Amino acid sequence: DVKVTQSSRYLVKRTGEKVFLECVQDMDHENMFWYRQDPGLGLRLIYFSYDVKMKEKGDIPEGYSVSREKKERFSLILESASTNQTSMYLCASSLGGPHKNIQYFGAGTRLSVL
Amino acid sequence: DAKTTQPTSMDCAEGRAANLPCNHSTISGNEYVYWYRQIHSQGPQYIIHGLKNNETNEMASLIITEDRKSSTLILPHATLRDTAVYYCIVRVGGSNTGNQFYFGTGTSLTVIP
Repeated sequence: DVKVTQSSRYLVKRTGEKVFLECVQDMDHENMFWYRQDPGLGLRLIYFSYDVKMKEKGDIPEGYSVSREKKERFSLILESASTNQTSMYLCASSLGGPHKNIQYFGAGTRLSVL
Repeated sequence: DAKTTQPTSMDCAEGRAANLPCNHSTISGNEYVYWYRQIHSQGPQYIIHGLKNNETNEMASLIITEDRKSSTLILPHATLRDTAVYYCIVRVGGSNTGNQFYFGTGTSLTVIP
């Protein structure tokens, strides 16, 4: 089975802190994604990557950056956390090409910024 | 991407078939219909997808109308563990460029004992 592992289930940070959310997948998938999920808004794409060192902005990239130095790892970085970044963060991965939209998700990280 | 419309919530008796509708009247010829679900406190889980033919796998069946303007996800014998939010998404199948699909707010299915 595909496994997507997010480093933390729950995280509490203070405003202005730099926050790293880590995601690792074990199926050699080309694509990796970061979403945030908020009540009433569904999932919104922050960034995605279709290859090592490649990244593209999603719908809401402001305030976030990403890093993909190795194929299996995709990191989401909040340079200076703010309270409006309190949310559930979900990482996903998929094969490329026609299978791009069959995404496998991690369990999520619930981040609270105080 | 084509917009989808789903009911906000539905109930289903345990052991009965759950039929979840999705309207996607603006779907274009090369767009697939994907279904995911999200059980509380977990990440979304892929269920099934199709282009124009009906599809079945170990989890569910997908019925797409002939004009492709709507589809129905069928869980043949719903169990309490099927209680989740179900998302219907329409998206072109391939390509590694462009933004990814939008999950929307889905249908909250409650399976009742």
